[in-house]
Amino acid sequence: GENVEQHPSTLSVQEGDSAVIKCTYSDSASNYFPWYKQELGKGPQLIIDIRSNVGEKKDQRIAVTLNKTAKHFSLHITETQPEDSAVYFCAAMNYGGSQGNLIFGKGTKLSVKP
Amino acid sequence: DSGVTQTPKHLITATGQRVTLRCSPRSGDLSVYWYQQSLDQGLQFLIQYYNGEERAKGNILERFSAQQFPDLHSELNLSSLELGDSALYFCASSVLQGASGGELFFGEGSRLTVL
Repeated sequence: GENVEQHPSTLSVQEGDSAVIKCTYSDSASNYFPWYKQELGKGPQLIIDIRSNVGEKKDQRIAVTLNKTAKHFSLHITETQPEDSAVYFCAAMNYGGSQGNLIFGKGTKLSVKP
Repeated sequence: DSGVTQTPKHLITATGQRVTLRCSPRSGDLSVYWYQQSLDQGLQFLIQYYNGEERAKGNILERFSAQQFPDLHSELNLSSLELGDSALYFCASSVLQGASGGELFFGEGSRLTVL
């Protein structure tokens, strides 16, 4: 089955700096890679996703890149703000399969210091 | 507000007991997923239901069971509870059978503490 590794487990940056979180996956059949943000006391919320036919996707200050050959994908947050502080999860799955379960990484706790 | 409702928000019980966690998906969503979140294991997929039928099973213990009712709400039953079952249990819903057909919408979770 799919296995997703996520690094680092904790990340501390100064406000205005960039933050990068990296994930690797094991199943070459995986073709859908979402990122979720979990704020304290809340459930995870989708912030951006990418499919395997795209190498990069950007939405304002966040971007995700995918390297299918190396089986890794990354989340980039630019001009970080204190409200970006949260736990971020990457995930992977095989779109089109009968099973719809996302496999998540263990999360990265991002702290943005003002 | 994701539109997914989970009850109870907090639950404290003793080892050996049985509890039921309830989830109401977003209006119109046919798929319900259950995830367990513990400090060292992240989000672990337990089970998925689509329109009342079990669709996928993850790392769900035999002491745990779930079902989805005709009105699409779902319940996760945890029995013979052990200390290690203490965790945050999330329910999520999506419109389609497969999660990548649309995003998963998570509830705020049910925090279970087993003493």
